[in-house]
Amino acid sequence: EAQVTQNPRYLITVTGKKLTVTCSQNMNHEYMSWYRQDPGLGLRQIYYSMNVEVTDKGDVPEGYKVSRKEKRNFPLILESPSPNQTSLYFCASGITGQPQHFGDGTRLSIL
Amino acid sequence: QKEVEQNSGPLSVPEGAIASLNCTYSDRGSQSFFWYRQYSGKSPELIMFIYSNGDKEDGRFTAQLNKASQYVSLLIRDSQPSDSATYLCAPQGWSGAGSYQLTFGKGTKLSVIP
Repeated sequence: EAQVTQNPRYLITVTGKKLTVTCSQNMNHEYMSWYRQDPGLGLRQIYYSMNVEVTDKGDVPEGYKVSRKEKRNFPLILESPSPNQTSLYFCASGITGQPQHFGDGTRLSIL
Repeated sequence: QKEVEQNSGPLSVPEGAIASLNCTYSDRGSQSFFWYRQYSGKSPELIMFIYSNGDKEDGRFTAQLNKASQYVSLLIRDSQPSDSATYLCAPQGWSGAGSYQLTFGKGTKLSVIP
């Protein structure tokens, strides 16, 4: 079954404590991306990757890092989380530069 | 700044009617256009895409594109209560960093009344 798997699904943490949200896809897709979704602001792209070792900033990259060492994995790293990064996060993958499959989402609360 | 405008709704239609969802975009360089459906509390799912001016039909869904007017729409025929969701419009344009990327609208909430 085609899947994009995100972990954790829910996380409550505190300001400044480094965290990583993992994303893995089993479709051999070259394209992967991270979005955050906030009420009234819609889906905004954080980072994307067109292939292994190739990553680029999206519209709201500040405060986030990513890496793409393997095709299937695209983790999102918050080195020093702040309350304004409280949001619903989605990872997505696709064959070309558009998201075809989304993960179930990760709801982050940063206190 | 690439703008994608959608009426936030809610758009209420009776069951069996045609729902018409509209989207305008600012980036004239947009090449392809995608529609996603997002049920409350769920992740978006890709339902339609269109590249060329005109209409594209897929089952009960029809996407319409007019690049000159920078307008794309999604028609849902014979609307069902299960179509009640938020519909996201996403034009794909040149990112300036060597690739094409999507910009999402904020979505139109559709409610189909039984």
